Amino acid sequence: DQQVKQNSPSLSVQEGRISILNCDYTNSMFDYFLWYKKYPAEGPTFLISISSIKDKNEDGRFTVFLNKSAKHLSLHIVPSQPGDSAVYFCAASTSGTYKYIFGTGTRLKVLA
Amino acid sequence: NAGVTQTPKFRILKIGQSMTLQCTQDMNHNYMYWYRQDPGMGLKLIYYSVGAGITDKGEVPNGYNVSRSTTEDFPLRLELAAPSQTSVYFCASTPSRDRTEQYFGPGTRLTVT
Repeated sequence: DQQVKQNSPSLSVQEGRISILNCDYTNSMFDYFLWYKKYPAEGPTFLISISSIKDKNEDGRFTVFLNKSAKHLSLHIVPSQPGDSAVYFCAASTSGTYKYIFGTGTRLKVLA
Repeated sequence: NAGVTQTPKFRILKIGQSMTLQCTQDMNHNYMYWYRQDPGMGLKLIYYSVGAGITDKGEVPNGYNVSRSTTEDFPLRLELAAPSQTSVYFCASTPSRDRTEQYFGPGTRLTVT
C-alpha cells in the first residue's frame, strides 16, 4: 500500500523554465510534508516543507503547494537551473509519530 | 559538525555472511532511522529509535537488527545476508521536536552475491 505516490518517474525541463513536481498521498492523518533532493552517491538533503495548516510555503526559487482536499502537493522550481538536476522525493508524516513515509522519487533533468 | 556519518561506503557480502553498518551523528539528535532504497523505489523504513535504549520496527525490518546504546550511534546488523538485501542503506536523524526535517548520511551501498 503506497501511501505517498510520485507518479512521474522523470521530468525534463529547459533551463529558466518552471519545473513542477507532483506528489499524491492517501492517508488523511498526514499533517506535515517535506521535499528532499538527492544527488547520485549522496544522501537526500532537505529542501522545503509545509504544514497542513498552510496551503503554500515559499523559499527562494522553491515553492510547495498543498491541496488537502485533493491530497496533493506540488513543488515548483522557478527558474530551473542545471544544478537542480537530481531526484526529488516527497515525504509525509503525522504529528507525534516521528516517522516519515517517502514517495518513489522523480528524476528532474534541467537542460541547458 | 560532521552531521550523520556512515561506514562503510561500499561492501560486497556473500550469501549467509553477517555485517554491521555503522551510523553516527554528532548533532545530539534523539531520533535516528535506518532506510533502504532499492532501484526505482523510495526509501523504506527498516528500524528507528527515539532515544538510547529504545528501538522499534519500521516497514521492512525482517533480516535486520538494531541497537541504540548511545545517543550518537545506531548500528544496523545483518545476520544472514540474502540477495534481497542488496540495496543502498541510509541512516538519518532528527531533533527531538515535531514537524522537522531529517538529516541523512551519505549511504552504504551493499551487494549480496
